[in-house]
Amino acid sequence: QSVLTQPPSVSAAPGQKVTISCSGSSSNIGNNYVSWYQQLPGTAPKLLIYDNDKRPSGIPDRFSGSKSGTSATLGISGLQTGDEADYYCGTWDSRLTAGVFGGGTKLTVL
Amino acid sequence: QVTLTESGPVVVKPTETLTLTCIVSGFPLTNARMGVSWIRQPPGKALEWLADVFSNNEKSYSRSLRNRLTISKDTSESQVVLTMTNFDPVDTATYFCARIMRSYSYYFDSWGQGILVTVSS
Repeated sequence: QSVLTQPPSVSAAPGQKVTISCSGSSSNIGNNYVSWYQQLPGTAPKLLIYDNDKRPSGIPDRFSGSKSGTSATLGISGLQTGDEADYYCGTWDSRLTAGVFGGGTKLTVL
Repeated sequence: QVTLTESGPVVVKPTETLTLTCIVSGFPLTNARMGVSWIRQPPGKALEWLADVFSNNEKSYSRSLRNRLTISKDTSESQVVLTMTNFDPVDTATYFCARIMRSYSYYFDSWGQGILVTVSS
């Protein structure tokens, strides 16, 4: 059981936009920055978003992040088949004094 | 260029101790803003954070695994070691090490390729 809650799956057509939610509590998302990771099949996770809404160099602006209260959202616009992957949110939990992740969301581009 | 490389046994017997090594390059383990974490992923399941260590030797552990884990760093050798005692079938997973960026934030900006560790008697 993951500390952060994500929908197990989302889907959308190529070119469309999709959002993935990540819900937590005051001890994690509510008082800490959120990051997002993309994991393509058979590979290590890759940082997509950090500090709630910042993109590392090389990550296209089709990927966006936001946070409100104890929830965060990853947005992916202009969907491509290559975006099919598992997406994870992560942050620090001040009560657990540990890193925490969501359960992951599988994105299918129909 | 930042790289992290995991190494260790790929098969462990039940009740044995697993020792994994993460060799890092491209950044010093003495940088106060950076640390190294171990994260695992059972086949077909989600990521699970295990432990981390920073330049000042500050360490944190997963509460559910705290009694079985030890993380340590060897700055001169640029490596971080994780030991897990009493290995169990449920510990079968791909184990990743990742660089942590921490200031007012906490995130993993570089990951190793991972090492799949399975249990077998």
